[in-house]
Amino acid sequence: SQQGEEDPQALSIQEGENATMNCSYKTSINNLQWYRQNSGRGLVHLILIRSNEREKHSGRLRVTLDTSKKSSSLLITASRAADTASYFCATARNTGTASKLTFGTGTRLQVTL
Amino acid sequence: NAGVTQTPKFQVLKTGQSMTLQCAQDMNHNSMYWYRQDPGMGLRLIYYSASEGTTDKGEVPNGYNVSRLNKREFSLRLESAAPSQTSVYFCASSARTGISYEQYFGPGTRLTVT
Repeated sequence: SQQGEEDPQALSIQEGENATMNCSYKTSINNLQWYRQNSGRGLVHLILIRSNEREKHSGRLRVTLDTSKKSSSLLITASRAADTASYFCATARNTGTASKLTFGTGTRLQVTL
Repeated sequence: NAGVTQTPKFQVLKTGQSMTLQCAQDMNHNSMYWYRQDPGMGLRLIYYSASEGTTDKGEVPNGYNVSRLNKREFSLRLESAAPSQTSVYFCASSARTGISYEQYFGPGTRLTVT
């Protein structure tokens, strides 16, 4: 079953605007990760936030995590056409040396000039 | 470094045929994973290998087998392909870095079963 559900399913914005994507999940987690997938390509890791963290920044990315509401958001500021991609949240449960990720259904972001 | 490589990139099979998808990583990672991605869905875990010599089932293991050949290589086998196995298959790997286990993905294999 899909642990994470993303909202919205699709988002279209103009270059320079901010894009916000939300993710909800169902069970307890060790951390939550966001990945980007360009069309026809593999996934690329963007940022990881641990269960005891509330906010994290990386360049133009800002991630928040609310474990009481079992939700996370990804904000991309000053978007660019190159940000056009699908974005997935993934919840992680660590089992010794392996981390099992459960992915959401993704948000398709379109950034137009 | 090539990262995670997968072969083949594309494959068309007839129902009942078998094939093996190959995956290799050159990052000296302990753990490797196989996922499938169907249209409009996120990735679903088929099998994973926490370390060399171990494999475990994921969310959707039926119809698949895996082999962790060595630390670098992790293969996925379809013994008797079915149309329901038409999908894009991704291999990934991860290293132990404290409790932060980001995964690195290969480019995918697009499989069609007719």
